[in-house]
Amino acid sequence: NAGVMQNPRHLVRRRGQEARLRCSPMKGHSHVYWYRQLPEEGLKFMVYLQKENIIDESGMPKERFSAEFPKEGPSILRIQQVVRGDSAAYFCASSPSRDRVVEAFFGQGTRLTVV
Amino acid sequence: AQKITQTQPGMFVQEKEAVTLDCTYDTSDPSYGLFWYKQPSSGEMIFLIYQGSYDQQNATEGRYSLNFQKARKSANLVISASQLGDSAMYFCAMREIQGAQKLVFGQGTRLTINP
Repeated sequence: NAGVMQNPRHLVRRRGQEARLRCSPMKGHSHVYWYRQLPEEGLKFMVYLQKENIIDESGMPKERFSAEFPKEGPSILRIQQVVRGDSAAYFCASSPSRDRVVEAFFGQGTRLTVV
Repeated sequence: AQKITQTQPGMFVQEKEAVTLDCTYDTSDPSYGLFWYKQPSSGEMIFLIYQGSYDQQNATEGRYSLNFQKARKSANLVISASQLGDSAMYFCAMREIQGAQKLVFGQGTRLTINP
C-alpha cells in the first residue's frame, strides 16, 4: 500500500511563474490537508479538502494560492506569480475520514525554491 | 486559539542517554489530541506517538513515551536509550477535535546525539 505521494520533490521557479504541487493520497483516503513549512519553522496549516470540496481554507493566503481535489486524480496546490517568500517545503497529509485524523500520514513534501 | 510551545531550540545529548523534549500547549477545547513528529535531515515527517486528552495512561511506542500532564498542559516526549539516528528535528503538534481537525505545530527542537 503506497504512502502519500507528492511530486515533484523539488521545484525551482522564477519569480512570476506558476507552481503546481501534486499530492496523491493513500489508497482509500478521501481527506487531504496541505501544510507549509518555512525554513527553521514548524508546519502551518493551509487548507483541508475532501473530494471536490474545500472544507477549510483558513490558512491559505488570500491571493495567488488555490487548491483543488478533483473526483479523479491528485490534489493540486497552485501558486500563481510566485515570489521569493513562497520558498518553503509544502507537505500534504491524507486521512481516511475526518474522525480518524490520528492516522493522517504525511507525504515527503515538495521543496519549492523561487529564484 | 490553540497554541503549541517548544522552548528548546536545540539539545545535545550523549548516545545511550535518555532525553526529554518539552512541549506545552494551550487550548480551550476539552477534547484534543497531541502528536510528536520526527523530521530528519531528509525532510520527511515521521509520526512517532499520539496522546488523546481523555486517555488515562501515557502513550508509549517502543523507545518513545509521552509524559502527559494535563493539569500543567504539558506533553513532553521522552526518548530512552538515545541512538545516533535519533538526531533530527522534533515537532509537537495538537489536533482540534472539532471542525477541520487540522494540526497546530510548535517551532520544533533540534536534537543532536553525540557519539
